[in-house]
Amino acid sequence: GAVVSQHPSWVICKSGTSVKIECRSLDFQATTMFWYRQFPKQSLMLMATSNEGSKATYEQGVEKDKFLINHASLTLSTLTVTSAHPEDSSFYICSARGQGLSPLHFGNGTRLTVT
Amino acid sequence: QQPVQSPQAVILREGEDAVINCSSSKALYSVHWYRQKHGEAPVFLMILLKGGEQKGHDKISASFNEKKQQSSLYLTASQLSYSGTYFCGTAGSSNTGKLIFGQGTTLQVKP
Repeated sequence: GAVVSQHPSWVICKSGTSVKIECRSLDFQATTMFWYRQFPKQSLMLMATSNEGSKATYEQGVEKDKFLINHASLTLSTLTVTSAHPEDSSFYICSARGQGLSPLHFGNGTRLTVT
Repeated sequence: QQPVQSPQAVILREGEDAVINCSSSKALYSVHWYRQKHGEAPVFLMILLKGGEQKGHDKISASFNEKKQQSSLYLTASQLSYSGTYFCGTAGSSNTGKLIFGQGTTLQVKP
């Protein structure tokens, strides 16, 4: 089945630094990937839609200058949290979908802790 | 708009049945069901499309009532492995892949 790889699994960084999270579709091409954020015991909140070769589409309330998304190829999307602050600490999950009406497949998530 | 799931939480004994509902205020193109265990990524269960579709796998099945803009997930003869948080994800337009998830239903199956 379709596999989505997300790295790193966890990261601890100091306030003010930037963190990059990678999301790769390993066995299929994904023209569109999605980035979600999840706080403890809460739902997955869609942050943005990452489109290969074009700008990402951000959901309302998500700062595009803070959460930089780059979808450089059909198999790779990156999320960079710039100038991270403790309130950015969360579980970030990417997802991707193959052709047609195939299901979303999720990466294993990245737990970000900003100290 | 975020779909509404009910109940928020349910506790079962092994072998008991459960139903989780997902309702939307908007017309839906498809409903997707996922299960997430603590600290892990969501795992796909099934997709339902328009037209009153019903489907199942093993002892988990789901239905999609298009007119009511509602879907239900049925867990039959629950097993310990069914424990986790269940999310429905709804797509409001055809084939965009963009899903909005409900708030989740936490299911705990006890021996």
